[in-house]
Amino acid sequence: AQTVTQSQPEMSVQEAETVTLSCTYDTSESDYYLFWYKQPPSRQMILVIRQEAYKQQNATENRFSVNFQKAAKSFSLKISDSQLGDAAMYFCAYRPYNNDMRFGAGTRLTVKP
Amino acid sequence: DVKVTQSSRYLVKRTGEKVFLECVQDMDHENMFWYRQDPGLGLRLIYFSYDVKMKEKGDIPEGYSVSREKKERFSLILESASTNQTSMYLCASSPGGGEGAHYYEQYFGPGTRLTVT
Repeated sequence: AQTVTQSQPEMSVQEAETVTLSCTYDTSESDYYLFWYKQPPSRQMILVIRQEAYKQQNATENRFSVNFQKAAKSFSLKISDSQLGDAAMYFCAYRPYNNDMRFGAGTRLTVKP
Repeated sequence: DVKVTQSSRYLVKRTGEKVFLECVQDMDHENMFWYRQDPGLGLRLIYFSYDVKMKEKGDIPEGYSVSREKKERFSLILESASTNQTSMYLCASSPGGGEGAHYYEQYFGPGTRLTVT
């Protein structure tokens, strides 16, 4: 079975500081996609960042970047200059080419002013 | 922007009732999904559809059925609601039909919080 593990149920960061959320996945595939989603309290889940496994370069979207370690099957999310609006549940997701997307259990991020 | 809408944000039903949850997307996406979200369990796939009138079981299909008569609409049906189906239900869609992560990123609706009493 292909699973996604987020080992940090909760994380906290001071406003303007940097935080890294961990994600590991289990797979025997060589080609797949990885995603981070954000779900703010009582609001819609939205995509934060995506990564194709065949790309060695780590994806970046403004203050959000990933550290993709294919051999280690690790896909962590770094949030720089944290803002109050970053407070949310963050879900890591893995999708092999010919199968369904798998989500981790989520990490609840609190941002302290 | 892609918009995925769900018929209700909150729903309260009694045990044994038949429940319909509707989902509509406006971007001509091929793929549509129904998930259940519970604390500590993440999102679990109930059913999905890659085309009109097609459906596939996900990880937890028991007690649920789906219908996709039109490309933009994907309905989840609880045939006889039970208290263990109290949960948040999320609908999502993705473009599909190509290579590249952007074809498979999912766009989510706001969710329906269902309580079965």
